[in-house]
Amino acid sequence: GEDVEQSLFLSVREGDSSVINCTYTDSSSTYLYWYKQEPGAGLQLLTYIFSNMDMKQDQRLTVLLNKKDKHLSLRIADTQTGDSAIYFCAEWRRRGANNLFFGTGTRLTVIP
Amino acid sequence: SQTIHQWPATLVQPVGSPLSLECTVEGTSNPNLYWYRQAAGRGLQLLFYSVGIGQISSEVPQNLSASRPQDRQFILSSKKLLLSDSGFYLCAWSSFRGATGRETQYFGPGTRLLVL
Repeated sequence: GEDVEQSLFLSVREGDSSVINCTYTDSSSTYLYWYKQEPGAGLQLLTYIFSNMDMKQDQRLTVLLNKKDKHLSLRIADTQTGDSAIYFCAEWRRRGANNLFFGTGTRLTVIP
Repeated sequence: SQTIHQWPATLVQPVGSPLSLECTVEGTSNPNLYWYRQAAGRGLQLLFYSVGIGQISSEVPQNLSASRPQDRQFILSSKKLLLSDSGFYLCAWSSFRGATGRETQYFGPGTRLLVL
């Protein structure tokens, strides 16, 4: 299908790890992205991974890519209340002038 | 550095009234520009994108329209708002020109529209 899929909701306790999952559609996608949207604000790029990588780590964030299953995940270690937000994955598809396709977003709630 | 502005931040409009939302970008030239809508509890829906002045592509047919009268100005309009037009409208820009896939979109703060 055309949709980039994510679970809508995730709740974790402060200090635990969060894992947000995403299934994308185009096996030829070269870059995959994670964006964060805090309440009432626009989206901000968190991190991205190139398709020839399996894993990318950036401080508390770890991105895992399984190209065979077209599955992307974002792990947040030691989750804090400030991590509460909506997280969007996005894939880049080779298609004309608009190439970035966003998932439905996962709302992460961190419980103190 | 580049910045992106949207206004107004919040808007309450009656059904059937016109709409004009504005987005401007500073610090870059010839950006790609995007309008998204985010309905309550839902993901992003791409409405329009533009690769240059006067060039608008529509992703979803609806009663909204977009215009790009200047290089760094993107306007979202409607002649008659519907209740279903309520949502959070986000403008974004990118400087992507190529085929490698390394594109970052930078988002504005958004406009919350409530149609009553």
